[in-house]
Amino acid sequence: NAGVMQNPRHLVRRRGQEARLRCSPMKGHSHVYWYRQLPEEGLKFMVYLQKENIIDESGMPKERFSAEFPKEGPSILRIQQVVRGDSAAYFCASSRARDYRYFGPGTRLTVT
Amino acid sequence: TQLLEQSPQFLSIQEGENLTVYCNSSSVFSSLQWYRQEPGEGPVLLVTVVTGGEVKKLKRLTFQFGDARKDSSLHITAAQPGDTGLYLCADQGGSEKLVFGKGTKLTVNP
Repeated sequence: NAGVMQNPRHLVRRRGQEARLRCSPMKGHSHVYWYRQLPEEGLKFMVYLQKENIIDESGMPKERFSAEFPKEGPSILRIQQVVRGDSAAYFCASSRARDYRYFGPGTRLTVT
Repeated sequence: TQLLEQSPQFLSIQEGENLTVYCNSSSVFSSLQWYRQEPGEGPVLLVTVVTGGEVKKLKRLTFQFGDARKDSSLHITAAQPGDTGLYLCADQGGSEKLVFGKGTKLTVNP
């Protein structure tokens, strides 16, 4: 049973470009969570989604950031017009229900 | 907003030594979790503690939860290089948001 998969593992974008981060949850998991980890910081909650629904996006910046979890395919975290402050590691986690979350290996975003 | 403080921030020790790291919360924990995160990877859950005063052991790791459920410690006996990583405590409150501390970065030198 494959774990949570994230791609790309590393992403470099110039300021103003768009970043799209993908997360494939574990098989059978319909709950997805996105977290951001800044250097020397803990993980910060961004958004919680179930299939086709955003349940809690209280940790998501109001502008430039969006997330989706379509009926088919991976969850996508999209960052428009990236700025240097967006450079961070972005982790997704999945769960079968509201229980233990399995974290993916993360996407390291670098904005130049 | 709940704040989790972990100490020390960094710890570098020799193989075979013992160590303890701490996690303190500004409010009572709902469900305290300890994670280890290795470089370049996501966090992996080590243990969940819920009951005040609870002690859990996982091989050489001993987790203690304070009676008041506002503090916790992780003790590692005879540390090994494989224990190197970032140790994070987190609280899963009533919502879906796991709240994390900043972690203790442990380096065990051979």
